[in-house]
Amino acid sequence: NAGVTQTPKFQVLKTGQSMTLQCAQDMNHEYMSWYRQDPGMGLRLIHYSVGAGITDQGEVPNGYNVSRSTTEDFPLRLLSAAPSQTSVYFCASSYSTGLAGVYEQYFGPGTRLTVT
Amino acid sequence: RKEVEQDPGPFNVPEGATVAFNCTYSNSASQSFFWYRQDCRKEPKLLMSVYSSGNEDGRFTAQLNRASQYISLLIRDSKLSDSATYLCVVTGYNFNKFYFGSGTKLNVKP
Repeated sequence: NAGVTQTPKFQVLKTGQSMTLQCAQDMNHEYMSWYRQDPGMGLRLIHYSVGAGITDQGEVPNGYNVSRSTTEDFPLRLLSAAPSQTSVYFCASSYSTGLAGVYEQYFGPGTRLTVT
Repeated sequence: RKEVEQDPGPFNVPEGATVAFNCTYSNSASQSFFWYRQDCRKEPKLLMSVYSSGNEDGRFTAQLNRASQYISLLIRDSKLSDSATYLCVVTGYNFNKFYFGSGTKLNVKP
């Protein structure tokens, strides 16, 4: 049981390049999310998914696309990288504990992206 | 206005001390509340959920005050290994949107 995995761990892109950050989970969680973490700003939600085929925008969706064709995978695509997208990206999956309204969330190890 | 606000610290305390963190949230419709711990350059990990009646897990006690919209975390008998950043997290009425505070840094010193 690997939990939530992310690849790559590190990436350097030039402005204008595109790439896909991969995220996979093997816990059969319905809910998955992408966050970015910048110094002093905490984690901000980019996009999330409540199940295969269903995605929605978070707080900071501009410049990013997602899709969810399977329960396991939730890739994040940067269409045209910009220096402002330099950040640490975390993928997470979550499930209901069965207690009313309580969902627990598990994070992948993160991808450190630098855009020059 | 941020959904969740925390004092960034750092809180510098000696081993064995008791330390408390608070955070406030802006959306009265928030449904679920959590404390996460994040070590330097690592992913956040769930420390504990926060229930309306308050809850305790060993040396850690969490409280929720819905009327004043704040959450607290108390750590008793601090250990060196407690040094980390503590993130306050709430969900909106949509349980799958999690809002994170920017974190409170704790340094426990010998």
